[in-house]
Amino acid sequence: DAGVIQSPRHEVTEMGQEVTLRCKPISGHNSLFWYRQTMMRGLELLIYFNNNVPIDDSGMPEDRFSAKMPNASFSTLKIQPSEPRDSAVYFCASSLSRRGLGSFTEAFFGQGTRLTVV
Amino acid sequence: RKEVEQDPGPFNVPEGATVAFNCTYSNSASQSFFWYRQDCRKEPKLLMSVYSSGNEDGRFTAQLNRASQYISLLIRDSKLSDSATYLCVVNGGTGFQKLVFGTGTRLLVSP
Repeated sequence: DAGVIQSPRHEVTEMGQEVTLRCKPISGHNSLFWYRQTMMRGLELLIYFNNNVPIDDSGMPEDRFSAKMPNASFSTLKIQPSEPRDSAVYFCASSLSRRGLGSFTEAFFGQGTRLTVV
Repeated sequence: RKEVEQDPGPFNVPEGATVAFNCTYSNSASQSFFWYRQDCRKEPKLLMSVYSSGNEDGRFTAQLNRASQYISLLIRDSKLSDSATYLCVVNGGTGFQKLVFGTGTRLLVSP
């Protein structure tokens, strides 16, 4: 089992540039989460998908952030244009949700993308 | 009120000590509870799920108190390798809900 795979592991970009983060969830999982982690704010949920459909994007900071999940094995998080305050570690996680029971099995995290915007 | 609240610590304890963390949650309909561990510059990893009846895994014991809406983690005989941040995770009630993480409690075990 390869686990959740994120790319790139590190990204350094200039302010104003577009950044695209990628995630491949664990096969068979139907829920995918994008989190952002900073020292000041901890782990913040940005958006989550269930069966490739965005369910809750209330954590997305602003219109500069967008996320897609075109199929069950791939998701992207895009920041356009990027700003220095977007610098953080971005984690993708996947889980199996049990519909009707409103519960999840454990979430598995990718190794994260460390984003630095200068 | 935050959905999930934890004391950030740090908790500084000597090797061999017993230490306990609590975590409170606001959604009374929550059904899934977990403790995760995160090492510096690494991704969070599941430490243990928390069941209604309480559960134990070696030196680690997790408890759930639905009436008071908190979960706890007890670590006995602390090891240096237990030094990490411990994250409380809770989800909401019926339908599709978020997995919400607390900000974590930092534990430092010293020789």
